[in-house]
Amino acid sequence: GIQVEQSPPDLILQEGANSTLRCNFSDSVNNLQWFHQNPWGQLINLFYIPSGTKQNGRLSATTVATERYSLLYISSSQTTDSGVYFCAARDTGRRALTFGSGTRLQVQP
Amino acid sequence: GAGVSQSPSNKVTEKGKDVELRCDPISGHTALYWYRQSLGQGLEFLIYFQGNSAPDKSGLPSDRFSAERTGGSVSTLTIQRTQQEDSAVYLCASSLDPTPADTQYFGPGTRLTVL
Repeated sequence: GIQVEQSPPDLILQEGANSTLRCNFSDSVNNLQWFHQNPWGQLINLFYIPSGTKQNGRLSATTVATERYSLLYISSSQTTDSGVYFCAARDTGRRALTFGSGTRLQVQP
Repeated sequence: GAGVSQSPSNKVTEKGKDVELRCDPISGHTALYWYRQSLGQGLEFLIYFQGNSAPDKSGLPSDRFSAERTGGSVSTLTIQRTQQEDSAVYLCASSLDPTPADTQYFGPGTRLTVL
């Protein structure tokens, strides 16, 4: 099945800084989602982005499907951005999402 | 509207007991997924239901795990003869569209602790 790798595994930022999180996947995908897992464990949908670029406030994401990677940009980070960011992808062979191991982000005041 | 709901939010059980975990998908969503999140294995797929089709059970780790979905809505995940390695957060997700372009929405999870 598809392999999903995320980097970096851990990231510490000062409030106001920008960051880029990366997700590499091993095969063609028909679904790619970015999630934020908050301190209470809830997975919050950020983007559905199998290709192209999307923006939502301070967050934006780009997926280059032909090169098999996706990037999540966080600008002007806030302490509430802290948590774990997961990338999840699905190839054409199955229905379920395969998750990366996540990037743990800590934004310090 | 309401999101995916799961119950209980926490469950502590003794090794060898059976447990049932419940998932209420978003109204109208035809696809339902169970995943689990554990320290050693990350987030992994367990089982998938789509309408009246046979479920995809390819992610179930052993025959102690089973799930059903009644009336195309509520789902129950059952773990028999629980083991300590079953301790994890069990997450349910649902999606509206059976086509590839569906977005999965996750519930808050059930944290299972097997003593």
